[in-house]
Amino acid sequence: GAGVSQSPRYKVAKRGQDVALRCDPISGHVSLFWYQQALGQGPEFLTYFQNEAQLDKSGLPSDRFFAERPEGSVSTLKIQRTQQEDSAVYLCASSLARQGLAKNIQYFGAGTRLSVL
Amino acid sequence: AQKITQTQPGMFVQEKEAVTLDCTYDTSDPSYGLFWYKQPSSGEMIFLIYQGSYDQQNATEGRYSLNFQKARKSANLVISASQLGDSAMYFCAMREGQNNDMRFGAGTRLTVKP
Repeated sequence: GAGVSQSPRYKVAKRGQDVALRCDPISGHVSLFWYQQALGQGPEFLTYFQNEAQLDKSGLPSDRFFAERPEGSVSTLKIQRTQQEDSAVYLCASSLARQGLAKNIQYFGAGTRLSVL
Repeated sequence: AQKITQTQPGMFVQEKEAVTLDCTYDTSDPSYGLFWYKQPSSGEMIFLIYQGSYDQQNATEGRYSLNFQKARKSANLVISASQLGDSAMYFCAMREGQNNDMRFGAGTRLTVKP
């Protein structure tokens, strides 16, 4: 596709429910990132994939958060037993090259707004 | 510790005027990249401009330019000839060395007045 696509755009979950957020990166992009953006703040890094390998998950806030990218393209961010503090916009980004290169522009999707009631 | 600081929560500018959005950063890594993104109300983060720590010249992309002052650790975004469509949140971000993550500032909300 032309850009990074995320679905659903909005998700309302009851506390304790599991949710799955999908990201379709730009075709051919090697690197994929997930960020969490709380209301009124900048995005915060969650995790990074190079192709299908999850190379960095240092930003995941708890073991309730799990991400996968099994075939090196589409990625899913799963949150188990959601809590109110998980309410945020979850942004996905992809970049053409592997990380470590100086200029490696990350292109973002429009995000999924998760509200946990 | 805060790596990226944007001290202006909100800014107003008259249409067709220029505006500067401030960004200071903190790093001890000699190799880093600085990015500016625009986030309209639709939510998508739109890449605007990039400056590498070793770049000799200030970056420019159309109406966007970056006033990079390395010794001061500042990377201010200058938008010339503001348009109504420029109204949005603007985020400064930095990626250090070989790190995977990009650190963002808290953002500045720009409002362009007709």
